[in-house]
Amino acid sequence: KQEVTQIPAALSVPEGENLVLNCSFTDSAIYNLQWFRQDPGKGLTSLLLIQSSQREQTSGRLNASLDKSSGRSTLYIAASQPGDSATYLCAVRLNTGGFKTIFGAGTRLFVKA
Amino acid sequence: EAQVTQNPRYLITVTGKKLTVTCSQNMNHEYMSWYRQDPGLGLRQIYYSMNVEVTDKGDVPEGYKVSRKEKRNFPLILESPSPNQTSLYFCASSFLSTSRFYGYTFGSGTRLTVV
Repeated sequence: KQEVTQIPAALSVPEGENLVLNCSFTDSAIYNLQWFRQDPGKGLTSLLLIQSSQREQTSGRLNASLDKSSGRSTLYIAASQPGDSATYLCAVRLNTGGFKTIFGAGTRLFVKA
Repeated sequence: EAQVTQNPRYLITVTGKKLTVTCSQNMNHEYMSWYRQDPGLGLRQIYYSMNVEVTDKGDVPEGYKVSRKEKRNFPLILESPSPNQTSLYFCASSFLSTSRFYGYTFGSGTRLTVV
């Protein structure tokens, strides 16, 4: 059974710091991996999507990597800002019937001004 | 604007009173899904649909029904809501292709309280 784990569960950093959020999954048979941002009580906003054949994707200050063989993905945020404060969720879409997506529990990020 | 629209955003209802949460997408996506999000439990899939008239159970389908009569709409029906269905609900959609796999687009959520 696919499990998705995100470490750390919570993170507090000063503004301007570069940071890395980690996501690990137990089964490498995936179609893609997607990183989302969620503000409290709000919906999920897609940040980056990495196909199983890709190694990384970049958007602005964000860079996500994927290592399928080791079951790991990282989300790198450069020069963090208070507006980056949110919960970041990693989601893995399975290579099985139903195209099910498994979500991690998220990393709650707080960037201090 | 490409989006997934859920209604209502907030709903307070009483136990046993049937309700429907609507979900509509304007991106011609084949795949649609409902999730509930609870503190400490994360996002759990309720039902999904791979195309019109094709639906299947997710991880927590008990107490819910869905239908997919049109490609753009995927309503979630609670025939007899109970307090344990108090939650934040999300609808999501994506393309479904054997040649390329797309990410999800999520709705803004529906916060349901059953008293």
